[in-house]
Amino acid sequence: AQKVTQAQTEISVVEKEDVTLDCVYETRDTTYYLFWYKQPPSGELVFLIRRNSFDEQNEISGRYSWNFQKSTSSFNFTITASQVVDSAVYFCALSEAIGGANNLFFGTGTRLTVIP
Amino acid sequence: DTGVSQDPRHKITKRGQNVTFRCDPISEHNRLYWYRQTLGQGPEFLTYFQNEAQLEKSRLLSDRFSAERPKGSFSTLEIQRTEQGDSAMYLCASSSPGEGYTFGSGTRLTVV
Repeated sequence: AQKVTQAQTEISVVEKEDVTLDCVYETRDTTYYLFWYKQPPSGELVFLIRRNSFDEQNEISGRYSWNFQKSTSSFNFTITASQVVDSAVYFCALSEAIGGANNLFFGTGTRLTVIP
Repeated sequence: DTGVSQDPRHKITKRGQNVTFRCDPISEHNRLYWYRQTLGQGPEFLTYFQNEAQLEKSRLLSDRFSAERPKGSFSTLEIQRTEQGDSAMYLCASSSPGEGYTFGSGTRLTVV
């Protein structure tokens, strides 16, 4: 069975600080995808990244970076020099890659508040 | 293409009434998903269509819920005899094989 755990329910940081959001997952599949989504107050889920289980390279996109460690089943997300516009709920998700619906299993989310 | 559209954005209904939501996916996406999100939780999978075929349903989808995608394009989700526990955000997403999922803005249902 798949499971995604985001242990941090809420985080507050002061603008320009760096912040890391943790994600730990469980799956019996050897092939799977991991995702991060941002949900601002408007409610829409905004796609940030997809990573397949065979690609453990870290990725950087502007102020965002992701650290995928298969050995610890973690896929952590770091925002560098946080801004007020980063305030949102962030979800980590997992999907199987082979067969079936490939539906997403979400964590419970981390609410990030960036204080100006 | 403007992404995934959902209608209405908000719906308030009295307990026991039926409601129907609509989702228009990205036109070239053959996969369509419905999710439900309650306050403080992540979205939970409800059902999945590949073209017009409903291929998978979650146990969360009680017999009061029905979803259709008659021509493989837009989809509807109907809830009959609504209960207060049905109050949630209903999210639609579409995708193509090998691609990520694009979500709509959701329909927020409040049952009073």
